[in-house]
Amino acid sequence: GAVVSQHPSWVICKSGTSVKIECRSLDFQATTMFWYRQFPKQSLMLMATSNEGSKATYEQGVEKDKFLINHASLTLSTLTVTSAHPEDSSFYICSARESGGGPQHFGDGTRLSIL
Amino acid sequence: EDKVVQSPLSLVVHEGDTVTLNCSYEVTNFRSLLWYKQEKKAPTFLFMLTSSGIEKKSGRLSSILDKKELSSILNITATQTGDSAIYLCAVFPGTNAGKSTFGDGTTLTVKP
Repeated sequence: GAVVSQHPSWVICKSGTSVKIECRSLDFQATTMFWYRQFPKQSLMLMATSNEGSKATYEQGVEKDKFLINHASLTLSTLTVTSAHPEDSSFYICSARESGGGPQHFGDGTRLSIL
Repeated sequence: EDKVVQSPLSLVVHEGDTVTLNCSYEVTNFRSLLWYKQEKKAPTFLFMLTSSGIEKKSGRLSSILDKKELSSILNITATQTGDSAIYLCAVFPGTNAGKSTFGDGTTLTVKP
């Protein structure tokens, strides 16, 4: 089945550091990838839709300059949390949709802890 | 605004019980409805439903879509403790570039 790989799984770093999270579709091409944030015991909150070769579409309330998204190829999207602060600590999950309207598959997520 | 509502929010049962999880939706452009299971990590895909009335089955899990009622159910028979998870329902739009809408999930706890 389709596999989405997300890396790293867990990041702990100091306040002010920028953190890059990678999302790869391993066996399919993904024109569109999605980045979510999830707080404990809450559902997924869509942050942005990443389109290959074009600018990401951010949801209302999500700071573009804070959460930089790059979708340089059909198999890779990256999310960079710039100058991270403790309030950015969360579980970040990427997903990619199979072309032709197939299911959306999720990466394993990245737990980000900012000290 | 597109909306997906899941019920119940939380459910506690004993092993061997059968459960039915509900998902209803109001979306402007429907293509498919998906069910996911989320344990400690990110959601894993269970079913994708596009046509009304056709049951999808995988082991003890089954799901069906009712486009007339704008809803879907997920059934789990003979539940096991390993079924404990959050079950998410999502509706996908008609365009490939469109974003999906997720429900808040149903938290299922299966006690031994």
